[in-house]
Amino acid sequence: QVQMKETGPGLVQTTQTLSVTCTVSGFSLTSYGVHWVRQAPGKGLEWMGIIWGDGSTNYNSALKSRLSISRDTSKSQVFLTMNSLQTDDTAVYYCASITNDYWGQGVMVTVSS
Amino acid sequence: DVVMTQTPVSLSVAIGQPASISCKSSQSLVGTSGKTYLNWLLQRPGQSPKRLIYLVSKLDSGIPDRFSGSGSETDFTLKISRVEADDLGVYYCLQGTHFPLTFGSGTKLEIK
Repeated sequence: QVQMKETGPGLVQTTQTLSVTCTVSGFSLTSYGVHWVRQAPGKGLEWMGIIWGDGSTNYNSALKSRLSISRDTSKSQVFLTMNSLQTDDTAVYYCASITNDYWGQGVMVTVSS
Repeated sequence: DVVMTQTPVSLSVAIGQPASISCKSSQSLVGTSGKTYLNWLLQRPGQSPKRLIYLVSKLDSGIPDRFSGSGSETDFTLKISRVEADDLGVYYCLQGTHFPLTFGSGTKLEIK
């Protein structure tokens, strides 16, 4: 059974760095890419980036300067790191294997001054 | 970036009636492989998105055949032949041909 679960800080101060972890079970991170998608309150979905099975990455150009996606295959974990947070980064952050239609439940992150 | 223009913004449909959602892309979604990476997803209230259709018209496992997808190049449509109560939520198109991936702005389906 495939599971993807995001864990994060809940509340982050403006200008600080966000770190969210996606823990995967039921498939290998070396076989499929893992995406990060976020959704601001009451808004639509925004694709953030992907780490492919070979470890390479692609990012949303609008976030590229602030965003990093990495992984630890031994722990089946994927990491999202984003710096210089602003209040409009407040959102639910999802990890997903879109190819297989596996999604986490999402983690709400509030950015506050 | 590819812009996905999704219409209508909202839709109110009676049970048993059909529904249709349009998604137009700012450039062709035919990839170098010849495949068209256009997906439709449904996000029910309080839930994560779930894919209904991939590669324009292929139904995901467990998705009833009341749902169908069609289209080509830049013009795509999701149709529900007979709306049921469980279909309420926000529908999104998602293109996976060009990076960055981009979503439509969503269509909220309400039951009349």
